[in-house]
Amino acid sequence: DVKVTQSSRYLVKRTGEKVFLECVQDMDHENMFWYRQDPGLGLRLIYFSYDVKMKEKGDIPEGYSVSREKKERFSLILESASTNQTSMYLCASSLSLEQYFGPGTRLTVT
Amino acid sequence: RKEVEQDPGPFNVPEGATVAFNCTYSNSASQSFFWYRQDCRKEPKLLMSVYSSGNEDGRFTAQLNRASQYISLLIRDSKLSDSATYLCVALNAGNNRKLIWGLGTSLGVNP
Repeated sequence: DVKVTQSSRYLVKRTGEKVFLECVQDMDHENMFWYRQDPGLGLRLIYFSYDVKMKEKGDIPEGYSVSREKKERFSLILESASTNQTSMYLCASSLSLEQYFGPGTRLTVT
Repeated sequence: RKEVEQDPGPFNVPEGATVAFNCTYSNSASQSFFWYRQDCRKEPKLLMSVYSSGNEDGRFTAQLNRASQYISLLIRDSKLSDSATYLCVALNAGNNRKLIWGLGTSLGVNP
């Protein structure tokens, strides 16, 4: 079974803080993704990575950055958290086309 | 027009019923499709992949109609545990790894 884990299930941060969300997969998958999911907007792709040290912007990269130093780990960074970044953040990994998700981090920015 | 469109529902059906959802996609070049299920406040989980005309897995059948650009999901003999949101997903024809997500169809199965 594919296992994707995320560092926190729930997180509360203050406006302006730098926030790190960690994602680890144990299946040696090449591809990793960060999404956010909001009611009425569905899943939106923030960043993705096809290989170590490689990253590509998704549909909504503004206000975010990512890091992939090791194949199994993909980190999402909110440089200066804002209230409009309150959301459910979902990490996924894939070997080919099917993506497998972690349990998500519900982030609240106050 | 959204690239992948679904009827949000909710569909409320009794246990044992057969229910079908449709999903339309706008990019005729899309080759691969998926159905995911998502329980409330949980992550999406892959239900089925649809690469050719269709796929069947137990009580679940997915069909692809390329001429009319829609994918359907049929659930037979509905169980209470089938209550969830079903997400239709298309592979972006221009990028082999980027998925285009529908907003989901909500299903409630009642005793």
